Amino acid sequence: DVKVTQSSRYLVKRTGEKVFLECVQDMDHENMFWYRQDPGLGLRLIYFSYDVKMKEKGDIPEGYSVSREKKERFSLILESASTNQTSMYLCASSRGPEAFFGQGTRLTVV
Amino acid sequence: AQSVTQLDSHVSVSEGTPVLLRCNYSSSYSPSLFWYVQHPNKGLQLLLKYTSAATLVKGINGFEAEFKKSETSFHLTKPSAHMSDAAEYFCVVSPRAYNTDKLIFGTGTRLQVFP
Repeated sequence: DVKVTQSSRYLVKRTGEKVFLECVQDMDHENMFWYRQDPGLGLRLIYFSYDVKMKEKGDIPEGYSVSREKKERFSLILESASTNQTSMYLCASSRGPEAFFGQGTRLTVV
Repeated sequence: AQSVTQLDSHVSVSEGTPVLLRCNYSSSYSPSLFWYVQHPNKGLQLLLKYTSAATLVKGINGFEAEFKKSETSFHLTKPSAHMSDAAEYFCVVSPRAYNTDKLIFGTGTRLQVFP
């Protein structure tokens, strides 16, 4: 089975902190994605990567950056966390027309 | 541009009655379309997918969906709801048939099933 693992299920951070969310997949997929999920808004794409060191902005990249140094790992970085970044963050990977999702990280910024 | 509209934010049904979750899409390309389900405190799971083959697609747990190009719809149905179907359902469009590129999610439909 494809496995996408996010390093934390729950995180609490302070405003202004630099936050790293880590995601690892074990199926050698080229594509990896970061979404945030908010009630009533569905999932919105923050960034995606289609190869090592390659990245593209999604629909809401402001306040975020990403890093993909190895094929299996895709990191989401909040440069200076703010309260409006409190959300559920979902990582996904894919090769074909089906994406596989991690369990999510619920981030609270206080 | 690609977009997805889920027409109902909440749907409530009684156990044993049919389920209909509605989805309309907009796509400049021949789209791939998906339905995902998310149970409470669980990750997203693929229910079914359409990738330009048969227009009636069967998925897991008795769900199916029909791609209707003329109506730009991809509604999800199930003949008989079960309590375990209570979850949030997302309709998703991807603009390219053979690669996943920027999956675009609808805002979700929360399905409640009453005994």
